[in-house]
Amino acid sequence: DAGVIQSPRHEVTEMGQEVTLRCKPISGHDYLFWYRQTMMRGLELLIYFNNNVPIDDSGMPEDRFSAKMPNASFSTLKIQPSEPRDSAVYFCASNLGLAEGNEQFFGPGTRLTVL
Amino acid sequence: SQKIEQNSEALNIQEGKTATLTCNYTNYSPAYLQWYRQDPGRGPVFLLLIRENEKEKRKERLKVTFDTTLKQSLFHITASQPADSATYLCALAAMDNDMRFGAGTRLTVKP
Repeated sequence: DAGVIQSPRHEVTEMGQEVTLRCKPISGHDYLFWYRQTMMRGLELLIYFNNNVPIDDSGMPEDRFSAKMPNASFSTLKIQPSEPRDSAVYFCASNLGLAEGNEQFFGPGTRLTVL
Repeated sequence: SQKIEQNSEALNIQEGKTATLTCNYTNYSPAYLQWYRQDPGRGPVFLLLIRENEKEKRKERLKVTFDTTLKQSLFHITASQPADSATYLCALAAMDNDMRFGAGTRLTVKP
């Protein structure tokens, strides 16, 4: 397996634009997580899914953020409209769940810069 | 409110010494505690997991302890090497697989 795949790796956009980040989890993993990492706030959990269903989105900063998982092999995180304070590295991760010890496998991240 | 604190932002040690990193938490009842390593420009990589009913776990030069009374985990790297230089993150997992990370400690091992 190629691991967790994220695209794009880098995104530079202007304030007010829509941004869509994409993630392909490891095949067979039931859980998918979206994190945001900044120097100030560290690694923050935004939302996670179990079997394509959102379980906890309490970490989503505000209504400008939305996430979907239409099937087991694809998820998107959308920011509309984007703001400079959204600049961060966004990670997607997946795992097999608690029964398997829930080791998380992270993607390489998407570095988002909002000008 | 829930809080995960790692003892310091940065730790510098000499090659060959033991590095000890601390993770303290409040208002949590974790089912698991994990440690990850993160290198610049990369995602975190899993190192070790310890369950709430375990006191200690070892893997090669790594050792993790978990004290649910003190609400603390210690992460040790023995015989440290410059290649161990990285940021180390602790993560707490609840029963529903909700995972939260500490801010990390940046370890530098000097030759």
